[in-house]
Amino acid sequence: DIVMTQSPDSLAVSLGERATINCKSSQSVLYSSNNKDYLAWYQQKPGQPPKLLIYWASTRESGVPDRFSGSGSGTDFTLTISSLQAEDVAVYYCQQYYSTLYTFGQGTKLEIK
Amino acid sequence: EVQLVESGGGLVQPGGSLRLSCVASGFPFSSYSMNWVRQAPGKGLEWLSYISSSSSSRYYADSVRGRFTISRDNAKNSLYLQMDSLRDEDTAVYYCAKEGSASYLHHWGQGTLVTVSS
Repeated sequence: DIVMTQSPDSLAVSLGERATINCKSSQSVLYSSNNKDYLAWYQQKPGQPPKLLIYWASTRESGVPDRFSGSGSGTDFTLTISSLQAEDVAVYYCQQYYSTLYTFGQGTKLEIK
Repeated sequence: EVQLVESGGGLVQPGGSLRLSCVASGFPFSSYSMNWVRQAPGKGLEWLSYISSSSSSRYYADSVRGRFTISRDNAKNSLYLQMDSLRDEDTAVYYCAKEGSASYLHHWGQGTLVTVSS
């Protein structure tokens, strides 16, 4: 199975500041035939189901604010929130869909400093 | 609007069985692959199982393979998860999730809680 490892496990950032969450996969999730990274990011707020933020590593889902961006390729990926808002407090997960057995990172809890 | 509504959760004893359902609306159900994902209390997300639109392909996480069975009825816009030989560690909220144009999990239900305890 592909193991997804996020860092840090938790993060406290001041309002208006940048938040950066990293995700590393145990093997490349870049599919050479289409040059796409099979990596998604989700946001989960307390008591709610996860919500898709980013797919193909950097494509923002419709309706997601542009302060959210995804980057990286191969095995190393980053979710960046450019200017943290109070409503961004949540747990964030990366997920690979390269393999038929999907796997998630352990999650990163984002809080306000 | 896409809607996914899970049901069938509850309290079950270790070794018991339960069948979860997920009723879909707002999209052509028969055209999309579906998944089950769970979340133990206070823990992260764990992908469990995938089924293709025509049921021709099904995949399972190692933790549930041989105990859980995914199925669907496209005529009823419904997804199912038959869970047998349940263990304490299967206690979790179970979500059904619809895939997008590729295999990312585009839409999620609200989840149904399964508690395995004697």
